[in-house]
Amino acid sequence: EAQVTQNPRYLITVTGKKLTVTCSQNMNHEYMSWYRQDPGLGLRQIYYSMNVEVTDKGDVPEGYKVSRKEKRNFPLILESPSPNQTSLYFCASNPVSGSYNEQFFGPGTRLTVL
Amino acid sequence: AQSVTQPDIHITVSEGASLELRCNYSYGATPYLFWYVQSPGQGLQLLLKYFSGDTLVQGIKGFEAEFKRSQSSFNLRKPSVHWSDAAEYFCAVYNNNDMRFGAGTRLTVKP
Repeated sequence: EAQVTQNPRYLITVTGKKLTVTCSQNMNHEYMSWYRQDPGLGLRQIYYSMNVEVTDKGDVPEGYKVSRKEKRNFPLILESPSPNQTSLYFCASNPVSGSYNEQFFGPGTRLTVL
Repeated sequence: AQSVTQPDIHITVSEGASLELRCNYSYGATPYLFWYVQSPGQGLQLLLKYFSGDTLVQGIKGFEAEFKRSQSSFNLRKPSVHWSDAAEYFCAVYNNNDMRFGAGTRLTVKP
């Protein structure tokens, strides 16, 4: 089944404890991205990647890192999480870099930073 | 920078009534336009999209949207709402690797 998977789905952590949220897609998509969703703000793009080893900042990149060593994986790294990063995070992928088709979204990761 | 505005934070309609959700965008050229739906606890599912051509686009679940260039709008409509349509709806705009979402409209359906 074609899908985008994220792990974990739920995470409660404490300030400053490094964490990684994994994202994987099995559709051979070139383009992948991370969003955070906050009430009243919709989804805001954190980082995106147009292909392996190519990443770029979105609207709200501060406090986050990403890497794209393989086409299928695009982990989101919080080196020192803070409470303002408590949010719902979505990974997404779409098939063709440079043009646009439907974005496929993962199920989301709800992160709470205490 | 491009932006997307969904003026209605929350809308309540009766089951069987018609629905229109508003979306306005701010961008010089015509971007790609999308409507997504998010059911509680779920990810986002694409309802429909507009790239070019016919300005009235049909989507899944009986939804349609009309692109009006003069008004920079892309409103979502459904002639008869079902209880299962209760969800949050997001309008989105894409251009040149920049994807932006509106803040969302939460739809409540009354029996």
